Amino acid sequence: DTAVSQTPKYLVTQMGNDKSIKCEQNLGHDTMYWYKQDSKKFLKIMFSYNNKELIINETVPNRFSPKSPDKAHLNLHINSLELGDSAVYFCASSSRDTQYFGPGTRLTVL
Amino acid sequence: QKEVEQDPGPLSVPEGAIVSLNCTYSNSAFQYFMWYRQYSRKGPELLMYTYSSGNKEDGRFTAQVDKSSKYISLFIRDSQPSDSATYLCAMSTYSGGGADGLTFGKGTHLIIQP
Repeated sequence: DTAVSQTPKYLVTQMGNDKSIKCEQNLGHDTMYWYKQDSKKFLKIMFSYNNKELIINETVPNRFSPKSPDKAHLNLHINSLELGDSAVYFCASSSRDTQYFGPGTRLTVL
Repeated sequence: QKEVEQDPGPLSVPEGAIVSLNCTYSNSAFQYFMWYRQYSRKGPELLMYTYSSGNKEDGRFTAQVDKSSKYISLFIRDSQPSDSATYLCAMSTYSGGGADGLTFGKGTHLIIQP
């Protein structure tokens, strides 16, 4: 069973559209995250969620909004997509020691 | 100055060589140090986890942390072509990342030549 899963794996869309990426973890962890990996492979945190409560929001445009329907899920909604949003988005969940990452969603904005 | 500096490579070595990967950092509050391996078009996979200064060994992999120098290393012995990947160092103030999450280096692209 996959510990952290994301859908879709690939997402190609036009500028100005609104899209969502889903994430689920079956590890029973309390804290989940969204990271963005740019074209130069640099991974940077966007959000963290603990028990359905947003903890931190690193200077991310408010076009991005995380939504957590329950402890096992953390979805990412993006409004009014821009060219610069093209990247790979990773969901992660945190154990006591470290973090486990999903396979990533490659978003391409045309 | 970036919080975590890591040479992006690529680093190309022959099969069987010992590989040394390094990161330096500026935030003295970091207490937890990790190395992740990322294959092309895959998610980062945890390799090693270390708390504070010291060494940790797991099979062919050894992680070292020197907090006084703000320097961490990953050594890979008897390198194999399957070790070819991007290696990301990561660190955090809190165990598991906590509210701040992990701070990553840019990753080193490693190529093991058969």
